[in-house]
Amino acid sequence: DIQMTQSPSSLSASVGDRVTITCQASQDISNYLNWYQQKPGKAPKLLIYDASNLETGVPSRFSGSGSGTDFTFTISSLQPEDIATYYCQQYDNLRVLTFGGGTKVEIK
Amino acid sequence: QVQLQESGPGLVKPSQTLSLTCTVSGGSISSGGYYWSWIRQHPGKGLEWIGYIYYSGSTYYNPSLKSRVTISVDTSKNQFSLKLSSVTAADTAVYYCAREDTAIDYWGQGTLVTVSS
Repeated sequence: DIQMTQSPSSLSASVGDRVTITCQASQDISNYLNWYQQKPGKAPKLLIYDASNLETGVPSRFSGSGSGTDFTFTISSLQPEDIATYYCQQYDNLRVLTFGGGTKVEIK
Repeated sequence: QVQLQESGPGLVKPSQTLSLTCTVSGGSISSGGYYWSWIRQHPGKGLEWIGYIYYSGSTYYNPSLKSRVTISVDTSKNQFSLKLSSVTAADTAVYYCAREDTAIDYWGQGTLVTVSS
């Protein structure tokens, strides 16, 4: 089974800061990596698919990069509405999904 | 706009079977192209994929739950369902139904299922 290690588990940053979250796969997953945002009491929302593609309607301050085993998710300028938990998720050739442990983003 | 809505009991007794149904609107399960999934989230924890079904009835389950999970589809009602047998307190979670391709682009609102006597 592919394991996803996401870090940090939480972070605190100021409005306007650049925020970076990483996700490492236990084996090569090419670009089969997605990123979600989850606000309290809500279902997750897809932000980035296939490592670097911005989902329609998602602000351009969100971006993703990486391939193989190492991936990065970035918020270029943190906004108050970005307070949430972010998850990476990989998929394999059977469409089995595995999520990272999540990163809780707070405002300093 | 595709919408998904979970329904089912919010309280299940230990050792019994948890049963949930997801009703899909704004799109047809039988049109193909997507997998219809169940995902759960333990209180205050991360996301766990349970499994999916295709409109044809083919399924795939998380190996850690495979022995207890059954997902079925009723294309005439545009619904799919989850059954999880022999539940314990460890199965207390918010259960989401979702549309899956390689990413999950549509989610239900989630339903909390508590396992308790």
